[in-house]
Amino acid sequence: SQQGEEDPQALSIQEGENATMNCSYKTSINNLQWYRQNSGRGLVHLILIRSNEREKHSGRLRVTLDTSKKSSSLLITASRAADTASYFCATDDATGGGNKLTFGTGTQLKVEL
Amino acid sequence: DAGITQSPRYKITETGRQVTLMCHQTWSHSYMFWYRQDLGHGLRLIYYSAAADITDKGEVPDGYVVSRSKTENFPLTLESATRSQTSVYFCASTNGRYTGELFFGEGSRLTVL
Repeated sequence: SQQGEEDPQALSIQEGENATMNCSYKTSINNLQWYRQNSGRGLVHLILIRSNEREKHSGRLRVTLDTSKKSSSLLITASRAADTASYFCATDDATGGGNKLTFGTGTQLKVEL
Repeated sequence: DAGITQSPRYKITETGRQVTLMCHQTWSHSYMFWYRQDLGHGLRLIYYSAAADITDKGEVPDGYVVSRSKTENFPLTLESATRSQTSVYFCASTNGRYTGELFFGEGSRLTVL
């Protein structure tokens, strides 16, 4: 079963707009990560947020984490066509020893010119 | 070249044949992982390894065999390929701990006829 579930499954926006995608998970975690995957390529790490952090920024990326709701959101500001990709959240399972990451099914983002 | 490389990138085989997917990393990362990616399922963990000669099952290990005689190599073998094993396979590595930032290869697309 999936630990993380992203929402929405697909998102289409215009260049310059902000894109928000959400991730919900089931168990207690030590950290949550977001990855990007361009079509036909491997996943690339974007950002990691620890369970004791509520918000983290990296360039145009802003990640929030609400452990009480077991959810996270990834905000991409001022999106560009190059941001077109699939985005995945990944969590460990603190209750299961936290020794592996489980990925969600991803959000497909399309940024149109 | 430095990084993590997978081979072959594309493979077509027949049901019942043995197939080995190779993964090589040049960082001397301790931890290595094999995931498969299928539509609707996201990435699912097949096997992982904490060090040479230490491997463990992930979420979907049936039908797969791994070995890790050297730190830098982590081959995945399908002993008798089935059509349900048609997928894109990703190798990843990390250092320090299981659930740190993962570095992914470009993937191996396997088709079983």
